[in-house]
Amino acid sequence: GENVEQHPSTLSVQEGDSAVIKCTYSDSASNYFPWYKQELGKRPQLIIDIRSNVGEKKDQRIAVTLNKTAKHFSLHITETQPEDSAVYFCAALKYSTLTFGKGTMLLVSP
Amino acid sequence: DTAVSQTPKYLVTQMGNDKSIKCEQNLGHDTMYWYKQDSKKFLKIMFSYNNKELIINETVPNRFSPKSPDKAHLNLHINSLELGDSAVYFCASSRQARVQGRDTQYFGPGTRLTVL
Repeated sequence: GENVEQHPSTLSVQEGDSAVIKCTYSDSASNYFPWYKQELGKRPQLIIDIRSNVGEKKDQRIAVTLNKTAKHFSLHITETQPEDSAVYFCAALKYSTLTFGKGTMLLVSP
Repeated sequence: DTAVSQTPKYLVTQMGNDKSIKCEQNLGHDTMYWYKQDSKKFLKIMFSYNNKELIINETVPNRFSPKSPDKAHLNLHINSLELGDSAVYFCASSRQARVQGRDTQYFGPGTRLTVL
């Protein structure tokens, strides 16, 4: 099956700094890579996604890059704000199965 | 605002009991999922149904049985609850599994199950 590794497990930044979270996947058949943000006690919410035919996608302060050859993808958040503090999950979809990374707790200090 | 809903939000019960969690989506999606999130926040797929047909059945104890009366509902029944079943259970849905562009999954609010 698919295996998704996510790093770092925790990330502390100052407000205004950039944050980068990296994931690797094992199965080249995976073709869709969403990122979810989960605030404490809430549901995972999709913040951005990328498909295997695209190398980069941006949505305001959030961007995702994908390197299919190396089987890794990354989330970039610029100009971080305290409300960005949450747990972020990467995931890889192969057929119908979405495999999640173990999450990164991002803490943005004012 | 939620299009994927679950009941109950919290469930506290004794070991050995049988309980059900209900999930409904009003998005017109064909595929629904159950995930378990443990105390370390790890999210793992348990089951998936596409148009009432089981398509994913990960290695979970057979005490867990999903039931899909129609494509808008996917309920999770758990028999003989054990301490290790304590977790947050999330329902999710997507328009269609295995179809690019239609496979984005949207999560329900979760059900926190505590087994005493």
